[in-house]
Amino acid sequence: SQTIHQWPATLVQPVGSPLSLECTVEGTSNPNLYWYRQAAGRGLQLLFYSVGIGQISSEVPQNLSASRPQDRQFILSSKKLLLSDSGFYLCAWSTLESPYEQYFGPGTRLTVT
Amino acid sequence: AQTVTQSQPEMSVQEAETVTLSCTYDTSESDYYLFWYKQPPSRQMILVIRQEAYKQQNATENRFSVNFQKAAKSFSLKISDSQLGDAAMYFCAYRRPGNQFYFGTGTSLTVIP
Repeated sequence: SQTIHQWPATLVQPVGSPLSLECTVEGTSNPNLYWYRQAAGRGLQLLFYSVGIGQISSEVPQNLSASRPQDRQFILSSKKLLLSDSGFYLCAWSTLESPYEQYFGPGTRLTVT
Repeated sequence: AQTVTQSQPEMSVQEAETVTLSCTYDTSESDYYLFWYKQPPSRQMILVIRQEAYKQQNATENRFSVNFQKAAKSFSLKISDSQLGDAAMYFCAYRRPGNQFYFGTGTSLTVIP
């Protein structure tokens, strides 16, 4: 069965510091991968998605970037964090066949101080 | 751009009763997919139910069912025989024929014992 891992689970970082969040998927090949941010009390905002190694699409221009160095690895990064980057970050993968449902990782709570 | 609207920020239901959560979406596509996700306090996103737009029959998963009105672009979730464990944030999501998913802002469901 497929599983998705995210780490770290919780992170507190000062403004201006770099960021690296990692997501890995097991039990599937060539998945579509996604990064979302969920601000407190709000819905999910799609940040990036990837259909293959090195292929990244950005939905929202901002202080963050994403990379996919391996088929089942998806990394969210920032060179300098802003206070507004605080939130709950979720990684997800989706099936390649109908109905293309998404499955989510446990999330990372990021607090920028 | 596709948008997903959940007009009920909060809902409550008595245990064992039935509740309906509303969702509308805006799209010019004819082929798409709709989902309801549940996010309990653990914040793990859990897929509740899915609906392919080309299917006229409403999807059902045990106590969960949907009322899919394609012409009205409406996709409501009905929870029957509500249980305490159903208390969570519920998100409606739309997937366009590309790879992007779009989520509503969520409905917080409280189940009253």
